[in-house]
Amino acid sequence: NAGVTQTPKFQVLKTGQSMTLQCAQDMNHEYMSWYRQDPGMGLRLIHYSVGAGITDQGEVPNGYNVSRSTTEDFPLRLLSAAPSQTSVYFCASAFSVAEKLFFGSGTQLSVL
Amino acid sequence: AQSVTQLDSQVPVFEEAPVELRCNYSSSVSVYLFWYVQYPNQGLQLLLKYLSGSTLVESINGFEAEFNKSQTSFHLRKPSVHISDTAEYFCAVSEANNLFFGTGTRLTIIP
Repeated sequence: NAGVTQTPKFQVLKTGQSMTLQCAQDMNHEYMSWYRQDPGMGLRLIHYSVGAGITDQGEVPNGYNVSRSTTEDFPLRLLSAAPSQTSVYFCASAFSVAEKLFFGSGTQLSVL
Repeated sequence: AQSVTQLDSQVPVFEEAPVELRCNYSSSVSVYLFWYVQYPNQGLQLLLKYLSGSTLVESINGFEAEFNKSQTSFHLRKPSVHISDTAEYFCAVSEANNLFFGTGTRLTIIP
């Protein structure tokens, strides 16, 4: 039972490049979400999903896309990276938003 | 949208002294309340949560939090802290399918 697996752990991009952060969970959780963590700002919700085929925007969705084709996977796509997207990204999952969130180990992204 | 306020960004406390980490939220509609802890270089872990029932909730490592609806607060307390409690603590409030986090309080234990 691996829990929530995020890849990669570190990534450096140039402005304008695109990439996908991967997130997978093996706990059969319906709820999955992406957060970014910035100093002094806590965690801010980017996008979330309540089940396969269902996604919605969080607080800071601009510049990011998500999809949920399976219960297990919830990738986050940066379409055209900007320096403002330099952050630590966390994926999390739960049976529902009222239950315990299980977090991945994070991805440290730098955009130059 | 919910607003979660953790007024203290850093709290230094002597070992074995009591501590209170404050959390206030903006909306008084039905919400679920959580405290998460982040140890250095790790992801967040649930410390405790309030869904309904008794307003005082406890964690397995001695922390407790009290839900106060009239003051829209969910402060976290521990009567005697240890070095191992050094971490960043985040208050979170769920509303609909969103989970809103505070900006975090860094707890530093002084030997």
